[in-house]
Amino acid sequence: NAGVMQNPRHLVRRRGQEARLRCSPMKGHSHVYWYRQLPEEGLKFMVYLQKENIIDESGMPKERFSAEFPKEGPSILRIQQVVRGDSAAYFCASSPPGLASYEQYFGPGTRLTVT
Amino acid sequence: DAKTTQPPSMDCAEGRAANLPCNHSTISGNEYVYWYRQIHSQGPQYIIHGLKNNETNEMASLIITEDRKSSTLILPHATLRDTAVYYCIVRVESNTGKLIFGQGTTLQVKP
Repeated sequence: NAGVMQNPRHLVRRRGQEARLRCSPMKGHSHVYWYRQLPEEGLKFMVYLQKENIIDESGMPKERFSAEFPKEGPSILRIQQVVRGDSAAYFCASSPPGLASYEQYFGPGTRLTVT
Repeated sequence: DAKTTQPPSMDCAEGRAANLPCNHSTISGNEYVYWYRQIHSQGPQYIIHGLKNNETNEMASLIITEDRKSSTLILPHATLRDTAVYYCIVRVESNTGKLIFGQGTTLQVKP
């Protein structure tokens, strides 16, 4: 049973470009969570999604960031017009159907570098 | 959500038990204690959770005091691969799923 998959593992973007980060949850999981870890800082919750629904986006920056989890395909975290401060590791986690769970399974992360 | 307090760092000799404390003195009756760890540059890894009874799985044991104001994560035979940042998180079972990570305890297992 494959774990949570994220790609790309490393992404380099110039300021002003768009970044798209993909997350495939574990098989059978229908809840996806995105977290961000800035350099030398702790993990911060960004957004929680179920299929075709954003449940909690209280940790998402108000501008330039969006997330989706379509009926088919991976969850996407999209950052428009990236700035240097967006450089961070972005982790996706998933949990099984039912109530949202705090027993979450994390992917290896995408390391975004903005030059 | 209850706030947690953990020592910033600890050392442990390889093969010995690592006992990681967590203080959550403001925990309320329906809040669970969760433990995660993050090995350098990897995604966090769920370890164990409990409400009031002690819990054990293949990775660790969780001891929660009777008043639930503190808990201890025990790695019975620490190895070098257990070197990581360990996070104690207190959450209410609800429909939010939001994990709030503090600074955690950096455990260094030494040969």
